[in-house]
Amino acid sequence: VQLVQSGAEVKKPGASVKVSCKASGYTFTSYNIYWVRQAPGQRLECMGWINAGNGNTKYSQKFQGRVTFTRDTSATTAYLELSSLRFEDTSVYYCATSYRITTAVPAFDYWGQGTLVTVSS
Amino acid sequence: DIQMTQSPSSLSASVGDRITITCRSSQTISNYLNWYQQKPGKAPKPLIYAASILQSGVPSRFSGSGSGTDFTLIINNLQPEDFGTYYCQQTYSTLMYTFGQGTKLEIK
Repeated sequence: VQLVQSGAEVKKPGASVKVSCKASGYTFTSYNIYWVRQAPGQRLECMGWINAGNGNTKYSQKFQGRVTFTRDTSATTAYLELSSLRFEDTSVYYCATSYRITTAVPAFDYWGQGTLVTVSS
Repeated sequence: DIQMTQSPSSLSASVGDRITITCRSSQTISNYLNWYQQKPGKAPKPLIYAASILQSGVPSRFSGSGSGTDFTLIINNLQPEDFGTYYCQQTYSTLMYTFGQGTKLEIK
């Protein structure tokens, strides 16, 4: 199982960014892809997830209206798009999945390497 | 959102020590509690899920316990490679999953 994310981005305030997460080694459509971000020196923050099978999404209220999760099943790739970027959106963005978890408790057992998004004027 | 609070925020311990990190949730979360280890510049590494189940490949010196609102991560026989920041995470709330603020572990 591997999740490989796109490279670092530098964006201006007000712009949008799209981060990709290429999955391999498992049946992509059978698991959710979760998105987590971490601002410098801060705790991890879950932004939500997408059901890679049916495309259903769940967004944290904090990002509602600014974030969109999509996926391309043929490319086994999930995407996060964040719009109206602010300085405080500067973070490392991670994708993760819950592949080997054997209980009903969701947990993130495989992670991408992270994508640094810097918002700077 | 459910708030997760860890203690201590940081600690320093020696090789061979036993250390305990606690995590408290602002509402009951049954056993919907996971633990991760993160090293600088790296993605978090999963350690324990459902409060007490060791992730595949994690050494048995790590253990977790708890239910409801109070949880514990114990590391026995501390090793040099155990340094890093440890996070608890609740996945009970359908509003959103949340993490604790982290516990930074330094090896003396």
